[in-house]
Amino acid sequence: GNSVTQMEGPVTLSEEAFLTINCTYTATGYPSLFWYVQYPGEGLQLLLKATKADDKGSNKGFEATYRKETTSFHLEKGSVQVSDSAVYFCALSAGGANSKLTFGKGITLSVRP
Amino acid sequence: DVKVTQSSRYLVKRTGEKVFLECVQDMDHENMFWYRQDPGLGLRLIYFSYDVKMKEKGDIPEGYSVSREKKERFSLILESASTNQTSMYLCASRPGGSYNEQFFGPGTRLTVL
Repeated sequence: GNSVTQMEGPVTLSEEAFLTINCTYTATGYPSLFWYVQYPGEGLQLLLKATKADDKGSNKGFEATYRKETTSFHLEKGSVQVSDSAVYFCALSAGGANSKLTFGKGITLSVRP
Repeated sequence: DVKVTQSSRYLVKRTGEKVFLECVQDMDHENMFWYRQDPGLGLRLIYFSYDVKMKEKGDIPEGYSVSREKKERFSLILESASTNQTSMYLCASRPGGSYNEQFFGPGTRLTVL
């Protein structure tokens, strides 16, 4: 079946540090890949997505590139801010129009001033 | 602005009670989902519905049922609440199509005593 593996957390960084959160996946066919973010006390919201190999999703300074050869979709940001403190989820959707999302376990990022 | 609302942010129930969690979306989306979120386990899909009166089991449907009588409303029912159903419950909706973003509600924190 489909699965998503995220690096273990939590992660604590200082403001302006470089961020990488690893995500690898297992899926049949050609899945779409997503990063969702959950700020404290809120539901999840889409951060970025990529729907085919070599696509790069980007939003709010975050980027992730769909790498089919390494089955990866790592999230990066060049300079994190305190406001980026949140839980980050990698997810994939594979199959037909009504297919479901498969989530990774999520990782908590804390950015200190 | 797109909106998914959930009937309660916090709910406390007793073991054996029948519990209803309501979710409403105002975006005319075809697909709706119920997840539970637990520390260290990420998001797990309970049930989803790809159209009115249609439903499919997710990864952990045991102990739950759902109802979708109208397009905008998707209800999660705990027939006889148990302490192991204490969790954060998240509802989401999506236009038809697995490439599309899911929109999440703020969540209901359910405690079963």
